Amino acid sequence: NAGVTQTPKFQVLKTGQSMTLQCAQDMNHEYMSWYRQDPGMGLRLIHYSVGAGITDQGEVPNGYNVSRSTTEDFPLRLLSAAPSQTSVYFCASSYAMSSGANVLTFGAGSRLTVL
Amino acid sequence: GENVEQHPSTLSVQEGDSAVIKCTYSDSASNYFPWYKQELGKRPQLIIDIRSNVGEKKDQRIAVTLNKTAKHFSLHITETQPEDSAVYFCAASIPGANSKLTFGKGITLSVRP
Repeated sequence: NAGVTQTPKFQVLKTGQSMTLQCAQDMNHEYMSWYRQDPGMGLRLIHYSVGAGITDQGEVPNGYNVSRSTTEDFPLRLLSAAPSQTSVYFCASSYAMSSGANVLTFGAGSRLTVL
Repeated sequence: GENVEQHPSTLSVQEGDSAVIKCTYSDSASNYFPWYKQELGKRPQLIIDIRSNVGEKKDQRIAVTLNKTAKHFSLHITETQPEDSAVYFCAASIPGANSKLTFGKGITLSVRP
């Protein structure tokens, strides 16, 4: 199994450009999420999904869009890139656990630079 | 929502010594507390977790303790080794269908050889 696969690993954008970070998992996980990691800020939740067709906002959703048309894929779209979106982005998935034990498997990360 | 804090932001220990990293959380309804380790340039990986019905859990050189009354939980690493050098994130989640994890800002542990 590949686990959680993110593409691209690196990307440089100009301000105002749009792009999509891809995330795919082959573990049949119901729960998928996107985090951004910035120095001194930890991991902050952008958007998450508890199943196909269901998405919700996390802590820092502005400027990002997501969709979940299949169980396997959860792309993150930057609508109009801004320098503040320069970050490392992690996709993570898990079995949805109503008990709260959300054991995340992370992708390798995507480093995005917005000039 | 939940708020998780970690202090200090960096910790340096001598190889072979013990390291203790503490986190506090704000929502008494939280019932799941994992710890993730992130080596330089790598992805975060779960190293140990604890549920609110347990006070302590051990796995070889690492252990986690939970104090629900004080709303804090700690990661204990004994006999530290250079490969323990990494960023450690604590997190907490409230039970429910969404089970969102709220992470702390992370602590950089350096183990001096």
